[in-house]
Order: sequence, then structure tokens, then C-alpha cells
Amino acid sequence: DAGVIQSPRHEVTEMGQEVTLRCKPISGHNSLFWYRQTMMRGLELLIYFNNNVPIDDSGMPEDRFSAKMPNASFSTLKIQPSEPRDSAVYFCASSFPTGLSNEQFFGPGTRLTVL
Amino acid sequence: TQLLEQSPQFLSIQEGENLTVYCNSSSVFSSLQWYRQEPGEGPVLLVTVVTGGEVKKLKRLTFQFGDARKDSSLHITAAQPGDTGLYLCAGDQGGSEKLVFGKGTKLTVNP
Repeated sequence: DAGVIQSPRHEVTEMGQEVTLRCKPISGHNSLFWYRQTMMRGLELLIYFNNNVPIDDSGMPEDRFSAKMPNASFSTLKIQPSEPRDSAVYFCASSFPTGLSNEQFFGPGTRLTVL
Repeated sequence: TQLLEQSPQFLSIQEGENLTVYCNSSSVFSSLQWYRQEPGEGPVLLVTVVTGGEVKKLKRLTFQFGDARKDSSLHITAAQPGDTGLYLCAGDQGGSEKLVFGKGTKLTVNP
């Protein structure tokens, strides 16, 4: 089975441009998470969805960030306008939590560089 | 303030040595997970510990959950270059699906 798929794997853009990151979760998983990873702050949860509904977006840094999940097999994270401090690796993860496990399965990440 | 503190931040050792890395918090967790992340990839789950005092073994890796469920340790015996990676602990505080991650321990095992 395919794991979590993210695209693009690398994105280089200029300050002020719009950036859209994409994620396809594992089929059958009903929870989806967006994280950002930097050396300084580690892995931070930005937002998570359950059954396509945003449950907790308290980690979204500011209004420049938005996320959508129009259906169970697709989610986007958009940054508009982008700034150099947004440079990081962005991960998408999915899970199907049960009483015994809430393991999260991560995609390979998108490395974003904002110049 | 980091909810989960991992130490050491960096560790470089020779093949065959033993090592222990730590994950500490002042908060109680209903479970704690350990992930390993290799360069250019996402984290991959190694183990979940649930019960205070629990010890789990995965080949040369031994995981322990503190009695009070506030801390955990990972011990690797006879480390190999293939163990190189970033080791992350993640806590589940219960009540939601959110995990809180530590910043990780970056382990390098030199041949």
C-alpha cells in the first residue's frame, strides 16, 4: 500500500508568493495532521482534521496560513503571502486511531525555502 | 517552554557502544511514542509505551516508561551505523489525537 504522499518534495519561492502544499493520506485513515519542522523549534503541529473537519488549528502561526480538506483523500496547506521565516520542512501525517494505538504515519515532507 | 525535553540533543558514538537517550516532562501522559527519523524522510514509529514502569524491547533497543508516566528512556545496545537518525519522543495527553513532540536526539554512529 502507498504511504502518505506529499507534493512537491521541494519548493523554492520568493517572499510574497503564494505556496500550496499537498497531501494524500493513507486510504482509510480518518485523521490528518500538518506539521512544521525546524532546527530551532522541532516538530510543531499546525492543524489536524478528523473526518475532513478541522478539529484544532491552534498551531497555525497566523492568518497567512490556511488548510483545507475537501475530501478524505486530499488536503492542502497554503501560505499567502510567504515570508523567509516560513522556510522549514512541512510534514503531513495520517492515522486511524483505535483504543490501542494512535500511531501517526508521516509523509516524506516538503522542504520549503522562501527567499 | 518545551513540554517534552529530550537529552542529549546530539550524540556521536562509535559502532559497538551502548547509549541511552532521555525524554522528560513535568506532565503526565497517557502514552508515549518513540519515532526515528532518517534524513529526507518523515518520522517512523518504533514503539508505544502505555503503562507506568513498562519496558519494551525491540531487538537491541530497550524502551522504558517512567512509573509516573512523565518520562521515558531509550537504550541502544551495541549501536550500529544503521541506528543513525533523529530519535523523537511524542506524548499523548489523552482527550484528543494530538501528539506533543520533543525536539529529538540526533544520533550518529560512526563505523
